[in-house]
Amino acid sequence: AQTVTQSQPEMSVQEAETVTLSCTYDTSESDYYLFWYKQPPSRQMILVIRQEAYKQQNATENRFSVNFQKAAKSFSLKISDSQLGDAAMYFCAYRSENTDKLIFGTGTRLQVFP
Amino acid sequence: EAQVTQNPRYLITVTGKKLTVTCSQNMNHEYMSWYRQDPGLGLRQIYYSMNVEVTDKGDVPEGYKVSRKEKRNFPLILESPSPNQTSLYFCASTITGARVSEQYFGPGTRLTVT
Repeated sequence: AQTVTQSQPEMSVQEAETVTLSCTYDTSESDYYLFWYKQPPSRQMILVIRQEAYKQQNATENRFSVNFQKAAKSFSLKISDSQLGDAAMYFCAYRSENTDKLIFGTGTRLQVFP
Repeated sequence: EAQVTQNPRYLITVTGKKLTVTCSQNMNHEYMSWYRQDPGLGLRQIYYSMNVEVTDKGDVPEGYKVSRKEKRNFPLILESPSPNQTSLYFCASTITGARVSEQYFGPGTRLTVT
């Protein structure tokens, strides 16, 4: 069975600085999808970025980018120029190619200090 | 506006009193699922449905029931709630079979069972 591990329960960053959130996963599959979701205090789950495993190029969405290392089964999220509104819980998630089920990590709470 | 709605948003109930949390989506999605979110555990899938009248257990189905009589609705039923079902619940939907389709989440239902 696939598992997702987020080893940093909490992280903090100064406004305008860069922070990296870690995520590792375990799978025997070769084709799959990875996601980062943001959950602000409103509790809404917001998709931040997605990566298809067959693509070697790292996904980027404005200030958010990932470092996808398929061999190492690592999928970290980098937030550049951090803003106060980035403060939230961040979840890493895995999805197999042949199912729509998401497998989530335990989350990393990010604090942003002015 | 494409969305997933859940009702109620907040619910406090007592042990053993049957309750239903409704979920509805307006995107004609085939796949719908329920997750529960608990501190330190992330989100875990309770039940899912591939289409009308097709439902199956997720990772933590004990104590829950679902039904899918219409494509847009996927209610979660707790026939005899217990305190260990106190949690934050999310309904989600997506198109089945698309390669990297986004899952749309509802706003969440905070359930407390005393």
